[in-house]
Amino acid sequence: GESVGLHLPTLSVQEGDNSIINCAYSNSASDYFIWYKQESGKGPQFIIDIRSNMDKRQGQRVTVLLNKTVKHLSLQIAATQPGDSAVYFCAENLSSGSARQLTFGSGTQLTVLP
Amino acid sequence: NAGVTQTPKFQVLKTGQSMTLQCAQDMNHNSMYWYRQDPGMGLRLIYYSASEGTTDKGEVPNGYNVSRLNKREFSLRLESAAPSQTSVYFCASSERQGASEAFFGQGTRLTVV
Repeated sequence: GESVGLHLPTLSVQEGDNSIINCAYSNSASDYFIWYKQESGKGPQFIIDIRSNMDKRQGQRVTVLLNKTVKHLSLQIAATQPGDSAVYFCAENLSSGSARQLTFGSGTQLTVLP
Repeated sequence: NAGVTQTPKFQVLKTGQSMTLQCAQDMNHNSMYWYRQDPGMGLRLIYYSASEGTTDKGEVPNGYNVSRLNKREFSLRLESAAPSQTSVYFCASSERQGASEAFFGQGTRLTVV
């Protein structure tokens, strides 16, 4: 079954505003939590990951927050741009048999309004 | 640097037909994966190859077979296509098994009628 899920299937933000995309997870055994971006007609693209022993990690215009107490992960995008319009997936690397696998949530469609 | 290349990009099959989806990566990655993506759902792992010479089942392997032909190439075969296999298929690769950063191909949109 799916162990990562997203709070909202769609999110619309005004260009220039900050975006926050949320994700809940149920499995505490993951080493990493990861965010991917998928533009229309393309394959997913890695954005950022966070190790399970960290609370926050920043990248270029993105910040990922991990709250292990409530098993919640979020992706914050600063100054959202039209090019940020895409589906965003959270993922975790879960142990499956002898190997770790990336397990993806169902995605949030982010639309940036002009 | 092409990254991960999948062929074909689109395919329509009749129920019962067979086909092979091809995937090649030029990043010298050890691990390769096949996922399927259905509307409103995330990606589900079909099969993976942790390293050259090994393959293992993922979450949804039924109806599929794979071959890790060499370090670069990982193919996915549908022996007898069914309408339930209508989906978008993505090949991916990573430096090592389970790495956070995987590189995905552009996808193959398969319709089984």
